[in-house]
Amino acid sequence: TQLLEQSPQFLSIQEGENLTVYCNSSSVFSSLQWYRQEPGEGPVLLVTVVTGGEVKKLKRLTFQFGDARKDSSLHITAAQPGDTGLYLCAGTGNTGGFKTIFGAGTRLFVKA
Amino acid sequence: SQTIHQWPATLVQPVGSPLSLECTVEGTSNPNLYWYRQAAGRGLQLLFYSVGIGQISSEVPQNLSASRPQDRQFILSSKKLLLSDSGFYLCAWISGRAAPGELFFGEGSRLTVL
Repeated sequence: TQLLEQSPQFLSIQEGENLTVYCNSSSVFSSLQWYRQEPGEGPVLLVTVVTGGEVKKLKRLTFQFGDARKDSSLHITAAQPGDTGLYLCAGTGNTGGFKTIFGAGTRLFVKA
Repeated sequence: SQTIHQWPATLVQPVGSPLSLECTVEGTSNPNLYWYRQAAGRGLQLLFYSVGIGQISSEVPQNLSASRPQDRQFILSSKKLLLSDSGFYLCAWISGRAAPGELFFGEGSRLTVL
């Protein structure tokens, strides 16, 4: 059974601080996504990483895919209150292109 | 442009009653469709996915079922709801041109079983 473990589960920081969220698994994934979800809404895709070691940047967000394609990290620089939300990583198996599983999420709260 | 709609948005049902949640995708054809359930503030649990009409894969054995009677319609059902069925149900789709895992989600349906 494929599992994605996210850490930390909850993070409360001051505006301007940096943070890193981790997503780990013992399984290899063909691709890994990061989503952000607001309360009462569906998750919204932020980024997809496909190649081992890949790094992608989205403004103040930096995403990295592990060399072995089993783990990923999300780093936010100079966090802002607008970054508050639930961050979810998701992975699609290496053997088929249809089944996508999600981690339990990291709830981020950025205080002004 | 492609859109996805779920309804109803909110549902309060007694234990033992039936359930039907509907999801419709517009602006695309032959999408892969998914049903996820989310406990309060937590991650998403994959319930069912479908790669075509009448083709349903079940990930979690339970008293829920799914059907895909039309290409862009995905229905989640139950004959008798349990308290544990409460949660936020999300329908999602992926186009054939997207990378695996690049899902677009509906607005969600919040189910409370009393």
